[in-house]
Amino acid sequence: DIVMTQSPDSLAVSLGERATINCKSSQSVLYNSNNKNYLAWYQQRAGQSPRLLIYWASTRESGVPDRFSGSGSGTDFTLTISSLQAEDVAVYYCQQYFGSPYNFGQGTKLEIK
Amino acid sequence: EVQLVQSGAEVKKPGESLKISCQSSGYVFTNYWIGWVRQMPGRGLEWMGIIHPGDSDTRYSPSFEGQVTISVDKSISTAYIQWNSLQASDTAMYYCARPLHGLFDLWGRGTMVTVSS
Repeated sequence: DIVMTQSPDSLAVSLGERATINCKSSQSVLYNSNNKNYLAWYQQRAGQSPRLLIYWASTRESGVPDRFSGSGSGTDFTLTISSLQAEDVAVYYCQQYFGSPYNFGQGTKLEIK
Repeated sequence: EVQLVQSGAEVKKPGESLKISCQSSGYVFTNYWIGWVRQMPGRGLEWMGIIHPGDSDTRYSPSFEGQVTISVDKSISTAYIQWNSLQASDTAMYYCARPLHGLFDLWGRGTMVTVSS
């Protein structure tokens, strides 16, 4: 199984500041034949279902604000929120969909400082 | 509207059986896999397994294989997950979600399952 490890476990950032969350996979999730990274990011606000933010490591889902961006390749990935808003308080998860089981990271809790 | 509608919260005793459901609407049910994700209280997301409604091809996480059974009823566009003998450790929120290439682009609201004597 591919193990996904996020860092940090929790993060406090001031409103308007940048937030950065890291995700590392135990093996590469880059599929060489199409040069795509099989890595997604989700946001889960308190009491809500998860919501897809980013897929293919860097493609924003429709309707996701452009302050959210994803980067990285192979085994190391980053979710960046360029200017934190109050509504971004949530737990963020990465997920690999390269090989079954399509495991999630343990989550990163993002709060306002 | 494209959506997944899950059945309501359940309270069960250890050893009891349970089957919860997830009904799709707004898209062709048999064209997409559908999956289940567990979230224990205060914990993260765990990928349980997926099923293709067209042929019932099912893939389980090794962590859940033999512990649950995933099934579908194509005639009513509904997926299920069932337990034969619940344990307290099965207490969790269970989400159904639609995988697209493996990532989940559509989620249900979740079904809370509480197992307590």
